[in-house]
Amino acid sequence: SQQGEEDPQALSIQEGENATMNCSYKTSINNLQWYRQNSGRGLVHLILIRSNEREKHSGRLRVTLDTSKKSSSLLITASRAADTASYFCATDANSGYALNFGKGTSLLVTP
Amino acid sequence: DGGITQSPKYLFRKEGQNVTLSCEQNLNHDAMYWYRQDPGQGLRLIYYSQIVNDFQKGDIAEGYSVSREKKESFPLTVTSAQKNPTAFYLCASSNRGKRGDQPQHFGDGTRLSIL
Repeated sequence: SQQGEEDPQALSIQEGENATMNCSYKTSINNLQWYRQNSGRGLVHLILIRSNEREKHSGRLRVTLDTSKKSSSLLITASRAADTASYFCATDANSGYALNFGKGTSLLVTP
Repeated sequence: DGGITQSPKYLFRKEGQNVTLSCEQNLNHDAMYWYRQDPGQGLRLIYYSQIVNDFQKGDIAEGYSVSREKKESFPLTVTSAQKNPTAFYLCASSNRGKRGDQPQHFGDGTRLSIL
């Protein structure tokens, strides 16, 4: 079952601008992860944030988590054309080990 | 370099035929997963395995089967019972953890089409 829902479905920006993607989920979680997928390729793990964390940084990425609103956001600063990809959030599933992935946000960064 | 290898990259299935997708990892991960990705649908879990000789059904296991005889390998068979198999199939692996606290590493997928 898919728990995470990303918003917007598609986002188009110019190089140098910031890109913000949001993820909402329905039930309480222990951890939330963000992944990137380039066209026709597998997913690449970007960042993991735990339920007791509010913000996490990794290079140009900033992830926030608001458990009271059951939502997370991924901010990519100073976007580059190479950031063009689909971005997915994933939450822990009831099974305890597998992940529930959202449908993703498709990001297009134009030069 | 450690990683996950999926083969073949493209696969075609005839009506009534079973086909097997290969997934091999050399990351020494205990857990392995199979996902199906359809356009606009995100990833849906087919099967997962936490340890050799053990596996569990995911959300859409009907029409699929798996085996886990070796730690490194987790092949997926798409049987003739799967009436709509055309999709992009992704294999992943991770360390065993608790409640989604382990990142998953993905292969580059197999695209399956019906002839």
